[in-house]
Amino acid sequence: GENVEQHPSTLSVQEGDSAVIKCTYSDSASNYFPWYKQELGKRPQLIIDIRSNVGEKKDQRIAVTLNKTAKHFSLHITETQPEDSAVYFCAASLGSARQLTFGSGTQLTVLP
Amino acid sequence: DAGVIQSPRHEVTEMGQEVTLRCKPISGHNSLFWYRQTMMRGLELLIYFNNNVPIDDSGMPEDRFSAKMPNASFSTLKIQPSEPRDSAVYFCASSLDTLYNEQFFGPGTRLTVL
Repeated sequence: GENVEQHPSTLSVQEGDSAVIKCTYSDSASNYFPWYKQELGKRPQLIIDIRSNVGEKKDQRIAVTLNKTAKHFSLHITETQPEDSAVYFCAASLGSARQLTFGSGTQLTVLP
Repeated sequence: DAGVIQSPRHEVTEMGQEVTLRCKPISGHNSLFWYRQTMMRGLELLIYFNNNVPIDDSGMPEDRFSAKMPNASFSTLKIQPSEPRDSAVYFCASSLDTLYNEQFFGPGTRLTVL
């Protein structure tokens, strides 16, 4: 089955700096890569996703890049704010399947 | 829409007791997922239903765990007998049965087995 590895497990940045979280996946047939944000004590919520026919996608301060050849994808957050502090999970799935395989999560802390 | 609804939100029980967690998916969604979240193992998929039929239960840890979906608006996850290592947050999520679908998570049930 699919295996998703996520790095780093913790990340601290100063407010206003950028944050980058990286994930690799094992199944070259995977074609859908969502990112979820989970605030403390809350449920995971989708913040952005990318499909394998696209190399990059942006939504305001967040962007995701995908390198299918290397089988890795990354989340980029610019101009970080304290409310960006949360755990971020990457995931991968075959579009024809419905299951997501999640990475282990990254605890992002934005220091004021 | 109220979103995915889970009950109870918190459950404290003693080892050996039966525990039943409940989930109501978003109306119209026909895929339902049960996850378990722990610090050690992260977010694990336990079982996935499509149109009320279990499709993949390979993540169910052992026979003590069982899940049902008797209709499109209700699912249960049962642990019998419960053990302290079952302590975790259990999430239910639902989605439309389409490609590249977003999964909507419920608020979770925090289970503590003493």
